[in-house]
Amino acid sequence: AQKITQTQPGMFVQEKEAVTLDCTYDTSDPSYGLFWYKQPSSGEMIFLIYQGSYDQQNATEGRYSLNFQKARKSANLVISASQLGDSAMYFCAMRALDTGRRALTFGSGTRLQVQP
Amino acid sequence: DAGVIQSPRHEVTEMGQEVTLRCKPISGHNSLFWYRQTMMRGLELLIYFNNNVPIDDSGMPEDRFSAKMPNASFSTLKIQPSEPRDSAVYFCASSLSAGNTIYFGEGSWLTVV
Repeated sequence: AQKITQTQPGMFVQEKEAVTLDCTYDTSDPSYGLFWYKQPSSGEMIFLIYQGSYDQQNATEGRYSLNFQKARKSANLVISASQLGDSAMYFCAMRALDTGRRALTFGSGTRLQVQP
Repeated sequence: DAGVIQSPRHEVTEMGQEVTLRCKPISGHNSLFWYRQTMMRGLELLIYFNNNVPIDDSGMPEDRFSAKMPNASFSTLKIQPSEPRDSAVYFCASSLSAGNTIYFGEGSWLTVV
């Protein structure tokens, strides 16, 4: 079974500062992918970044980077230079890559508020 | 390119009525997922299709819920009869089977009164 844990229900950050959103996971799958999605107040789910369990380097996408520590089973999202538009819910998710269980399992989310 | 398209975006219906939610996945994607989001339970997988075949429907709440994928470009999620506890946002998502990213539609906001 897969499990995603996001221990921060809410986070505040000042505009232009960096923020780290925590995510830990548990799985018995040898090969898996880790994802972060953003859900603004309008409700859509926006894909941000992906990290494969076999990837040697941490993923980066613009201001987003994923701090992947496989031994600790953590996949924290780092947002640099926060903007007011970053205020949203952020979900960590994972899926198995080598089995039929290809659906995403989501964490409970972290609500980020960027303050001016 | 068009993303995942869901309809209706919003629906308010009375308890006992049938509700049909529709989804058009991204062209070329052969995996399709239905998720439900509520405050209490977060994001839950309802059912997952691969090449139009249901692979995992263990998340379908009960017999009132059914999902079909008659072809690669269309899926429906039906609730009959609907109940107030079915009020939620229903997301459809799609991906390539071998792909790494699942793309979501904008969701269908269902309210059952």
